Amino acid sequence: NAGVTQTPKFQVLKTGQSMTLQCAQDMNHEYMSWYRQDPGMGLRLIHYSVGAGITDQGEVPNGYNVSRSTTEDFPLRLLSAAPSQTSVYFCASSGGQGVVTEAFFGQGTRLTVV
Amino acid sequence: LAKTTQPISMDSYEGQEVNITCSHNNIATNDYITWYQQFPSQGPRFIIQGYKTKVTNEVASLFIPADRKSSTLSLPRVSLSDTAVYYCLVGDGPSNTGKLIFGQGTTLQVKP
Repeated sequence: NAGVTQTPKFQVLKTGQSMTLQCAQDMNHEYMSWYRQDPGMGLRLIHYSVGAGITDQGEVPNGYNVSRSTTEDFPLRLLSAAPSQTSVYFCASSGGQGVVTEAFFGQGTRLTVV
Repeated sequence: LAKTTQPISMDSYEGQEVNITCSHNNIATNDYITWYQQFPSQGPRFIIQGYKTKVTNEVASLFIPADRKSSTLSLPRVSLSDTAVYYCLVGDGPSNTGKLIFGQGTTLQVKP
């Protein structure tokens, strides 16, 4: 049982490049979400999903796309990387409707855009 | 989702009890209160969750007054390893539909 797995752990991109941050969970959780954390700040919600095929925007969705084709995976796509997207990205999953449960977070992806 | 207010930072010494208070004046009837802990270079980790009165687990207690407009996380006998950022979150339902809204959190520094 690996929990929430994020890949890669580190990434350097050039401005304008695109890439996909991967997130997978093996706990059969319904809810998954993506956050970014800038230095000295709290986490900010980018996108979230309440189940396969269902996604919605969070606080800071611009410049990012998501899809949820399976329960296990929730990739985050950067369409055209910008220096302002330099941050640490965390993926999280939690149980589901009506379930009193904690959210589990991955170890993060540290992204630098130059 | 209700906004939360916490102290930006707190200092304590090993062995002391630490209480971190969070204000959430606009909490909704079905909102739960959840606390997370984050160490540098790691994702947040769940500490405790409650709806009203008092909740206790092996690492902390959570006190929620009757009006639910605030809550207090209590860490008994802290050690150096409790140095971390602590976040108070308020959300719709026990699992918050996966939509966690973080504030700036409280940076707790435990000194020897």
